[in-house]
Amino acid sequence: GAVVSQHPSWVICKSGTSVKIECRSLDFQATTMFWYRQFPKQSLMLMATSNEGSKATYEQGVEKDKFLINHASLTLSTLTVTSAHPEDSSFYICSAAQGVSNQPQHFGDGTRLSIL
Amino acid sequence: DAKTTQPPSMDCAEGRAANLPCNHSTISGNEYVYWYRQIHSQGPQYIIHGLKNNETNEMASLIITEDRKSSTLILPHATLRDTAVYYCIVRGSGNTGKLIFGQGTTLQVKP
Repeated sequence: GAVVSQHPSWVICKSGTSVKIECRSLDFQATTMFWYRQFPKQSLMLMATSNEGSKATYEQGVEKDKFLINHASLTLSTLTVTSAHPEDSSFYICSAAQGVSNQPQHFGDGTRLSIL
Repeated sequence: DAKTTQPPSMDCAEGRAANLPCNHSTISGNEYVYWYRQIHSQGPQYIIHGLKNNETNEMASLIITEDRKSSTLILPHATLRDTAVYYCIVRGSGNTGKLIFGQGTTLQVKP
C-alpha cells in the first residue's frame, strides 16, 4: 500500500529555534500534500495544502510566515516552524495524495514537537 | 464539504462485530464517504471509502444507505488492536482534496 514517511518523529528544542519536518511519499508521486496539527485530546486541524511546484494554500488563521511549506518535488514536502515558541508544541502530521480525485490520502506517522 | 455526525464513543466486545454509524444528511451527489482511524500517537490510517454502493476490503465493510444520508462502518471481528478513534469524512471529488476531520468516535474494544 501507499507509504508516507515523516521525519523526525520526535523533536525537542529551545524556544526561538526553527524546526524543519519532512514528509515523503515513498512509493507514489504526490501531487498534493497536506499538513495538519493536532493538540492533545483534539482532532486534526488542517493547516495548509501544498501542490508540487507552487505556493501552499493556508487555512484561515494559520500564519504563512510562521509555518513555511515547500513542496519542491513529487515525493517531498517540508514544513518549517520558524522561531518556535512553547505554544507551537503539538503533533504535526502530513498526508499525501496522488492527484486522482477520489483516491484516499495517506498519512505519515506524525512529528511530536516540544518547545522548551 | 458536508458535515458528519458521529457518536463520541462506543464499546465493543473482542471478537464481535463493531458497527460505527455516521450521519451525513447534507451530502451531495459527488461527495464520497471516507473512513480513517487513528490509534493513539500515530497518524490516521485509511480504512475504506465509497460513493453509493456498499464496499468491502480486508479491513472493513462500508454500508451506505440508499438515500446516502448515513453510513455504517463494520469491523467484522473486532480485536483489541482496533481500539482507536474512527473518523467519518465526506469529501467531494472536485475540490482540492482536503479532508476536514470532526471529533470522530472513540471505539474501545474490551476483552
